[in-house]
Amino acid sequence: NAGVIQTPRHKVTGKGQEATLWCEPISGHSAVFWYRQTIVQGLEFLTYFRNQAPIDDSGMPKERFSAQMPNQSHSTLKIQSTQPQDSAVYLCASSLDRDRYAEQFFGPGTRLTVL
Amino acid sequence: QQKVQQSPESLSVPEGGMASLNCTSSDRNFQYFWWYRQHSGEGPKALMSIFSDGDKKEGRFTAHLNKASLHVSLHIRDSQPSDSALYFCAASGPGNTGKLIFGLGTTLQVQP
Repeated sequence: NAGVIQTPRHKVTGKGQEATLWCEPISGHSAVFWYRQTIVQGLEFLTYFRNQAPIDDSGMPKERFSAQMPNQSHSTLKIQSTQPQDSAVYLCASSLDRDRYAEQFFGPGTRLTVL
Repeated sequence: QQKVQQSPESLSVPEGGMASLNCTSSDRNFQYFWWYRQHSGEGPKALMSIFSDGDKKEGRFTAHLNKASLHVSLHIRDSQPSDSALYFCAASGPGNTGKLIFGLGTTLQVQP
């Protein structure tokens, strides 16, 4: 079991460019979560998919951020027109989602740096 | 204001010593708590969950929950240098769709 896979591990973009982050959940897990980690704000929830359907995007910034899960084996987080304040580690997690309290398994994260 | 607050921000204990970490929720909707640990360069990994009043023990780790005060603690006995990491308390609740609300973390340093 390779765990949750996130690519790339590091991404550097210029201000105004687009960034696409990829996540491959653990096989058989039906829930996928995206979080953002910064020193100041800590770990913040962004969005959640269950069986590929969007369930809760209450943490997503309303502009420039979007997430998709086109199939059960991967999810993407896209940030348009990146800004320096978007610099963070973006973490993807998956769970069996048998109930809302199932353990979430995190990937290593993608460190996004916006210059 | 953070809905999940952790203390202390950082903690140093000698190898073999006891480390005690604290967490308090300000939202009574949060009834289910997790402790996660994150080593540098890695994603957080779950240590244990607790949702019943009292103690829950897993190896060297013991969590304690007081639901009346929404206070959770984690005690690590016989601390090892490999326990040096960032420890997060995370909370969830019935209306929360499974998402976790994290505290800002406690940095634990175990001195050899």
